[in-house]
Amino acid sequence: KNEVEQSPQNLTAQEGEFITINCSYSVGISALHWLQQHPGGGIVSLFMLSSGKKKHGRLIATINIQEKHSSLHITASHPRDSAVYICAFTGGSNYKLTFGKGTLLTVNP
Amino acid sequence: DTAVSQTPKYLVTQMGNDKSIKCEQNLGHDTMYWYKQDSKKFLKIMFSYNNKELIINETVPNRFSPKSPDKAHLNLHINSLELGDSAVYFCASSQDRGGGIQYFGAGTRLSVL
Repeated sequence: KNEVEQSPQNLTAQEGEFITINCSYSVGISALHWLQQHPGGGIVSLFMLSSGKKKHGRLIATINIQEKHSSLHITASHPRDSAVYICAFTGGSNYKLTFGKGTLLTVNP
Repeated sequence: DTAVSQTPKYLVTQMGNDKSIKCEQNLGHDTMYWYKQDSKKFLKIMFSYNNKELIINETVPNRFSPKSPDKAHLNLHINSLELGDSAVYFCASSQDRGGGIQYFGAGTRLSVL
């Protein structure tokens, strides 16, 4: 069993819809990361958080340390949000990143 | 100016060959990483260097040898390439080894025929 589980694996939405992607992890972590991989392949870090909530534009990330759960929300989704969203955590003495399998989001116009 | 740059972007080669992928970052970061993304798009850490010192080595075959001539460069040399080495390899860097935000290169798509 992967230490990071994301759901759903695939998500199709209509433009304007509110999107939620969930991430659960099974070990103690130092920080939770959300990354975006564009269709062209590039990877961009969206958020790093260890508690509470962070917001950047239409993206919001939350984490519940007690429940070992994080969510990524996208408000007013747009076709350009179509990408793979990857949850990952840093933990252990070497702070290595351990990745989930990603959620493929497709936003249709 | 690209922050983390990898070359080449594409690499097609025959089984048994030796090849290298280069990575450079101009962010002044101390820590650099190599990741492998397999055909199912799953990312996994291979190596990490902090200021030229190897700090993570994730049970990667000995055919893979990272080299860091200085903290701005981390190259990956692969000997005796196998079909299973076909993947996208990403370089990344972070300010330090303490698990902060990582900045990724564009990736190198390696195809072994």
